[in-house]
Amino acid sequence: KAGVTQTPRYLIKTRGQQVTLSCSPISGHRSVSWYQQTPGQGLQFLFEYFSETQRNKGNFPGRFSGRQFSNSRSEMNVSTLELGDSALYLCASSPRLTQGRYEQYFGPGTRLTVT
Amino acid sequence: AQSVTQLGSHVSVSEGALVLLRCNYSSSVPPYLFWYVQYPNQGLQLLLKYTSAATLVKGINGFEAEFKKSETSFHLTKPSAHMSDAAEYFCAVSRSNDYKLSFGAGTTVTVRA
Repeated sequence: KAGVTQTPRYLIKTRGQQVTLSCSPISGHRSVSWYQQTPGQGLQFLFEYFSETQRNKGNFPGRFSGRQFSNSRSEMNVSTLELGDSALYLCASSPRLTQGRYEQYFGPGTRLTVT
Repeated sequence: AQSVTQLGSHVSVSEGALVLLRCNYSSSVPPYLFWYVQYPNQGLQLLLKYTSAATLVKGINGFEAEFKKSETSFHLTKPSAHMSDAAEYFCAVSRSNDYKLSFGAGTTVTVRA
């Protein structure tokens, strides 16, 4: 079974621009979560989508948003980029609602650099 | 609220020696606990999970962890380190009705030949 895929893998943007990152979950997984990883703050939860609805949200400003499509693919968008948004953005998918299956499987990440 | 504390940001072991990575959690409800490994320029790979079944959990690559409720700990061990174990390891916690993972700060493992 194919793993979680994320595109693009690397991205360079200028401060003030916006960016959209894409994530395709493992086949059959309907939950997609997003995390931000930085050297200073570590791994932080952004949000989770299930059945095209945001189910949980982390402590990030409204510039960070996401959505999920009917095929469970997800996108996250960051508007008005700031230098501090430079990070590795990780997507994770989960079987969810399958008894005993709470683990999340991560993609390789998108490395965003804001200049 | 739930949180995870990983004791030791760096651990250095000799090849063939025991690997012990410490993780303590705080949770107001019975937690689900996970260990992940991250190799350079890659995502996180699930090593093992605890979801209220057996307290001793075996994972991939020879790793195992023991859930000790009385000590609120979930330490990761491997009897014999291999050079390929050099990576960063993260302990994470979530609740049964909450798919948000809260991660520890991570422990970087180096393996000496």
